[in-house]
Amino acid sequence: EDKVVQSPLSLVVHEGDTVTLNCSYEVTNFRSLLWYKQEKKAPTFLFMLTSSGIEKKSGRLSSILDKKELFSILNITATQTGDSAIYLCAREGAQKLVFGQGTRLTINP
Amino acid sequence: GAVVSQHPSWVICKSGTSVKIECRSLDFQATTMFWYRQFPKQSLMLMATSNEGSKATYEQGVEKDKFLINHASLTLSTLTVTSAHPEDSSFYICSARPVGKMHPYEQYFGPGTRLTVT
Repeated sequence: EDKVVQSPLSLVVHEGDTVTLNCSYEVTNFRSLLWYKQEKKAPTFLFMLTSSGIEKKSGRLSSILDKKELFSILNITATQTGDSAIYLCAREGAQKLVFGQGTRLTINP
Repeated sequence: GAVVSQHPSWVICKSGTSVKIECRSLDFQATTMFWYRQFPKQSLMLMATSNEGSKATYEQGVEKDKFLINHASLTLSTLTVTSAHPEDSSFYICSARPVGKMHPYEQYFGPGTRLTVT
């Protein structure tokens, strides 16, 4: 089964820092890559990426996909304590989502 | 809109007993519901896909006789963990895909159920 690998697995930074989370994937039949934020319970949808090089942006969060190198990054600028969560990326496969291990992000005040 | 609930949110059971977890789509109908398991510090692992009125499709390595899935209506799917053992302790999350939506990303997640088997 195609794998999705995230790095780092854990990250601790200070409020105000900028962080970059990585997601690489193997692919046989790429459709889309998605980012979710999970705060203790249900994952909440952040971005869906289908095209290379086109940045998706929502406030302080942005994400971009590189289909040639098979990876995506999620950037968070001016981090706040409320950004502390597990960030999951997932590849859309045949009728299902395949998730990476997640990055546990902790923002210290 | 697009709210999915799970019940119970937390359950403790003794080894050898069975426990049922419900997943409901509250404000939409869902032909397809997904069941995931998440161990501590690990990612969501898809266990099975259930379609209303038909048998669930289980992922490789998931025992269908141990994890019974029933999707009897367009708003309710249940997961029964039979003869639970401590290694079944995990966070179980369901998601639901609304009728008419076809893509795997078009699914809404429930809040999860934490199962602890003693």
